[in-house]
Amino acid sequence: QVVLVESGGGVVQPGRSLRLSCAASGFTFSSFGMHWARQAPGKGLEWVAIIWYDGSKKYYADSVKDRFTISRDNSKNTLYLQMNSLRVEDTAVYYCARGYQHFQHWGQGTLVSVSS
Amino acid sequence: QSALTQPASVSGSPGQSITISCTGTSSDVGSYNLVSWYQQHPGKAPKVMIYEDNKRPSGVSNRFSGSKSGNTASLTISGLQAEDEADYYCCSYTDSSTFDVVFGGGTRLTVL
Repeated sequence: QVVLVESGGGVVQPGRSLRLSCAASGFTFSSFGMHWARQAPGKGLEWVAIIWYDGSKKYYADSVKDRFTISRDNSKNTLYLQMNSLRVEDTAVYYCARGYQHFQHWGQGTLVSVSS
Repeated sequence: QSALTQPASVSGSPGQSITISCTGTSSDVGSYNLVSWYQQHPGKAPKVMIYEDNKRPSGVSNRFSGSKSGNTASLTISGLQAEDEADYYCCSYTDSSTFDVVFGGGTRLTVL
């Protein structure tokens, strides 16, 4: 079955960087688009970024553009999110998810807390 | 891109049917057959219940159905069960020169 496991979350000060990972198994990772989405504490879902199956296209929400970078290593079945210049408002549970126009499968999420 | 509009809460008794609305614009909900719905229990990851307006993934109960009229999509749950109590989010691909999706603010379903 499809399994997505996020890691790399933690507490970080504003302005610092963090890299999240999402390990995929149970499907042919290199054949699917992958997303990052997030959910601030007690709030709704927000799409963050998408990467095409081969890494050829990447798109970002305006709220993270120029600060976050999505990437993937198909040889390692792993998705990444490099987060720079973190802000307090980036505090959220970050989920990876498989799909394009909809999110077919989700990981359990990793919590990122940005605080001084 | 503005969030889609959902009611903050709905409720129903076991066995009843409820409908959650999701209102967007002609640039998102009204433009594409790409509305999806997600169920999220507290502390858990979201799960897709409906995609492409009205398609149900394998394993999702046929008590869940999706529909759309103009710029408003709807999720109907029939034969309410206690385990249906959760937050529900709609989502739509949007009319963008690049790629963008937008979520609704979420609806808390309470089974009385």
